[in-house]
Amino acid sequence: EAQVTQNPRYLITVTGKKLTVTCSQNMNHEYMSWYRQDPGLGLRQIYYSMNVEVTDKGDVPEGYKVSRKEKRNFPLILESPSPNQTSLYFCASSLRADTQYFGPGTRLTVL
Amino acid sequence: GENVEQHPSTLSVQEGDSAVIKCTYSDSASNYFPWYKQELGKRPQLIIDIRSNVGEKKDQRIAVTLNKTAKHFSLHITETQPEDSAVYFCAASNQGGSEKLVFGKGTKLTVNP
Repeated sequence: EAQVTQNPRYLITVTGKKLTVTCSQNMNHEYMSWYRQDPGLGLRQIYYSMNVEVTDKGDVPEGYKVSRKEKRNFPLILESPSPNQTSLYFCASSLRADTQYFGPGTRLTVL
Repeated sequence: GENVEQHPSTLSVQEGDSAVIKCTYSDSASNYFPWYKQELGKRPQLIIDIRSNVGEKKDQRIAVTLNKTAKHFSLHITETQPEDSAVYFCAASNQGGSEKLVFGKGTKLTVNP
């Protein structure tokens, strides 16, 4: 089954404790991206990657890191999370920057 | 960079009526315009998209129109049904260029039975 998976689905953590949210797709897509969704602000792109070892900043990259060492995986790293990073995070993949297939979302709370 | 404005932020219609959501974009290089539907508690899913070489596209009760000169595009839903109730997002990207996808802030559509 073609899908995008994210883990964990829910995470409560404390300020400053490094965390990683994993994202994996099995559709051989080149394009992957991370979004955060906040009430009233819609979906904002954090980082995107057009291929292995190629990443670029989206609209809200501050406080986040990504890596793309393999085509299928695109982890999101928060080195020192802060409360303003409390949000719903979606990973997505696509052949190009066209039809985005979204993962199920990760709800992150930073205390 | 690209900026996408979406209106209205909320829309309430009676079942059977039409609904129209409008978006404007700022970057004339944008050439791909998708619309996503997000039901409560679920992930966004593509419902229709249009590329800049086309002025209109229809898929059953859903249509999208694009005016490149005015830099705006619209989603039209006819004969609305309660299951159309959701948040709808427009987006724009420059395929072949930056490939960055920018979303509007969303429209919460409520279809009243």
